[in-house]
Amino acid sequence: QVQLVQSGAEVKKPGSSVKVSCKASGGTFSSYAISWVRQAPGQGLEWMGRIIPILGIANYAQKFQGRVTITADKSTSTAYMELSSLRSEDTAVYYCARGGGSSGWQIDYWGQGTLVTVSS
Amino acid sequence: DIQMTQSPSSLSASVGDRVTITCQASQDISNYLNWYQQKPGKAPKLLIYDASNLETGVPSRFSGSGSGTDFTFTISSLQPEDIATYYCQQYDNLPPFFGGGTKVEIK
Repeated sequence: QVQLVQSGAEVKKPGSSVKVSCKASGGTFSSYAISWVRQAPGQGLEWMGRIIPILGIANYAQKFQGRVTITADKSTSTAYMELSSLRSEDTAVYYCARGGGSSGWQIDYWGQGTLVTVSS
Repeated sequence: DIQMTQSPSSLSASVGDRVTITCQASQDISNYLNWYQQKPGKAPKLLIYDASNLETGVPSRFSGSGSGTDFTFTISSLQPEDIATYYCQQYDNLPPFFGGGTKVEIK
């Protein structure tokens, strides 16, 4: 059974950075894409980017280019999402999720979510 | 970027009703569309992929159809446990935008 377990909630000051981890178990970590999706309070889902660990290649949504870095450590089956220059609008639940299927976009397993609160 | 317009934004229906949600893409996305269910405080759950394929373990009352720019998600007989927000997502082009969501409530 595939599981994605994320790191705990964070409270950050504006202008700082946050790094959220996502540890996978029960599957072949390197072969699947790991996406990061966020959800602001009461809002919809927003895709931030993804990485395919076996390739080490990450793609990012234009909106987050230059502020987000997604990495993966194959040795520990862990993906990371770092978001810098935080502002209050970045307050959200951040999810990691695995993309499977022939397209790599069957996002079939999700982490439990990590609440990041940005507040002075 | 391909924008996804989902409607309605909310609906209220009775148990046993047929519920239909639509999603329109700003350009042709073939059948590269997912549908997710999200219950309050929980992560989304994949229900339908490639526009019409039911994810393993998902009840058959859920279905999806469409291709090109117009897509439909249907719950054939609404159950109390179906109360949730439903999202479409295109993956023809990056970024794989989600629709705005449809909140389904019981009347």
